[in-house]
Amino acid sequence: QSVLTQPPSVSAAPGQKVTISCSGTTSNIGNYYVSWYQHLPGTAPKLLIYDNNKRPSGIPDRFSDSKSDTSATLAITGLQTGDEADYYCGTWDSGLRAYVFGTGTKVTVL
Amino acid sequence: QVQLQESGPGLVKPSETLSLTCTVSGGSISSCDYYWGWIRQPPGKGLEWIGSICYSGNTYSNPSLGGRLTISVDTSKNQFSLKLNSVTAADTAVYYCARPTGGHDGFDIWGQGIMVTVSS
Repeated sequence: QSVLTQPPSVSAAPGQKVTISCSGTTSNIGNYYVSWYQHLPGTAPKLLIYDNNKRPSGIPDRFSDSKSDTSATLAITGLQTGDEADYYCGTWDSGLRAYVFGTGTKVTVL
Repeated sequence: QVQLQESGPGLVKPSETLSLTCTVSGGSISSCDYYWGWIRQPPGKGLEWIGSICYSGNTYSNPSLGGRLTISVDTSKNQFSLKLNSVTAADTAVYYCARPTGGHDGFDIWGQGIMVTVSS
């Protein structure tokens, strides 16, 4: 049972914007940077965002994140069919002394 | 560049021990700048962090696994390993090894994953 809560699914048309929320507590999101992952079936998860909105090489700036208190939000603009995937937030939790993932959100491009 | 590769049996009997190894190539495991991690995904479920280790042997483990988990590192082989004992069907999953960008930060380098089924 994850300590980070995400909506099960979001959807939008190509070219539109979607946002995915990740709700936590002061033990995790409130005190640590959040990372975001894209996970396509049959492949390893891909890191999209880390350390206060940094993107690994090759990740387009269509992906961005923001944080407020104990919640974080991933925004995907200019939605593409290739963006259909599961998305997870993740961060360190000082109370559990564990890395925690969110419950996951399925993005559907209509 | 750094690459990770999981290896181990794809089938484990209930109550036995699941053992996996992650081989690191293109870089050294001998730095506590990174806590090398294990993550799994059971069929139809989300990602679950299992545990992490740095080369000194300092480890962190998912509390939900109780005392079933052992993570170790072999710097001479540039490998780290996972042993999960008393497995049940609930431990059936794709297991990934991964390296974070630093410390306990986001995991940016992943192995391809290995499917492990617990069944008699």
